[in-house]
Amino acid sequence: AQKVTQAQTEISVVEKEDVTLDCVYETRDTTYYLFWYKQPPSGELVFLIRRNSFDEQNEISGRYSWNFQKSTSSFNFTITASQVVDSAVYFCALVLNRDDKIIFGKGTRLHILP
Amino acid sequence: DGGITQSPKYLFRKEGQNVTLSCEQNLNHDAMYWYRQDPGQGLRLIYYSQIVNDFQKGDIAEGYSVSREKKESFPLTVTSAQKNPTAFYLCASSFGQSEAFFGQGTRLTVV
Repeated sequence: AQKVTQAQTEISVVEKEDVTLDCVYETRDTTYYLFWYKQPPSGELVFLIRRNSFDEQNEISGRYSWNFQKSTSSFNFTITASQVVDSAVYFCALVLNRDDKIIFGKGTRLHILP
Repeated sequence: DGGITQSPKYLFRKEGQNVTLSCEQNLNHDAMYWYRQDPGQGLRLIYYSQIVNDFQKGDIAEGYSVSREKKESFPLTVTSAQKNPTAFYLCASSFGQSEAFFGQGTRLTVV
């Protein structure tokens, strides 16, 4: 069975600190896609990144970076020099190549304190 | 502009009443989804559709029904059989395994 686990339910850090959100996934498929989405207080989910299972190269986009490790089935997300606007719920998700079904983790609520 | 639109933003349902949540997209996406979000529960899949006139049950389909008569539209009906419908409902669409686009959500409350 496919599953995404975000063990951190809620995290609070002070502004300008770095923070890492963990994501562990389970699948026996060899071709799949991993995603991160941000849900601000307005409620609409916003896409952040997509990786396919054959591309383990880490990615950096401004203050955001992602670490994909197939050996540990993890796809962690780091925010460097956090800002109050980063406060949101963050979801990790898995999509298999043979199916369009999106499997979400339960999300991590991130509080950035001024 | 291309996007996905949910309506209404807020909806109130009386006990024993069916209500329908609208979801429309003009992104030409094949796949559409309905999720339910409760506090601390994350996103739970109700139904999804990969093609017109076809849809599959998600993890919590009981008490809900959908239709997919047009590519652009995927309405969700919350029936009286759903005993605890108060929640935030999100609709999404995607093309294959690309990123999903989400609507702004409908907050349903039973009164």
